[in-house]
Amino acid sequence: KAGVTQTPRYLIKTRGQQVTLSCSPISGHRSVSWYQQTPGQGLQFLFEYFSETQRNKGNFPGRFSGRQFSNSRSEMNVSTLELGDSALYLCASGRQGARNTGELFFGEGSRLTVL
Amino acid sequence: AQKITQTQPGMFVQEKEAVTLDCTYDTSDQSYGLFWYKQPSSGEMIFLIYQGSYDEQNATEGRYSLNFQKARKSANLVISASQLGDSAMYFCAMREGRGGSQGNLIFGKGTKLSVKP
Repeated sequence: KAGVTQTPRYLIKTRGQQVTLSCSPISGHRSVSWYQQTPGQGLQFLFEYFSETQRNKGNFPGRFSGRQFSNSRSEMNVSTLELGDSALYLCASGRQGARNTGELFFGEGSRLTVL
Repeated sequence: AQKITQTQPGMFVQEKEAVTLDCTYDTSDQSYGLFWYKQPSSGEMIFLIYQGSYDEQNATEGRYSLNFQKARKSANLVISASQLGDSAMYFCAMREGRGGSQGNLIFGKGTKLSVKP
């Protein structure tokens, strides 16, 4: 069974540019969430999508946005990049349902460097 | 507000020995789930073990066990018979709701475990 797939794995951008990251969840998982990991702030929640609807959002500026498609694949976009956006962006998928526990399964991440 | 505290920034353990990684949590919810993840240098977060707030027995998954002390709000991870491949960052996390199935994961700052041959 394939895990969570994130693309691209590495990318370098300059300040002011925008970036789009992609995430394909585990087959059958309808929940996708995104986390930002930096050495200073640790792991911080960005947003969660379920059935194409944003269900939960973290405390990030509006430059950070996301969406989910009908096949559960998700993208996140960061516009007007700043140096502080350099981070590892992790996508996670999860099962839903009363019989399931809430563990999330993560991809390998997209490592963004902003110059 | 929920909070996870991991007080050990780094730890060393001899290969084949057991090691305990500490985690304390704070929440006013009655229903929640506790999780441990392993992050090797490659970056992927690997799910290790889950403990629900209503579970009376400590969770075990192979060489991993979770020492759950609800009254003390602690959820320590025990790794038995350490292997070189266990060297990684370990994160304790919490999620609200029954089964820990609601809201987002709240992570601690992590513990870097180094296994010595």
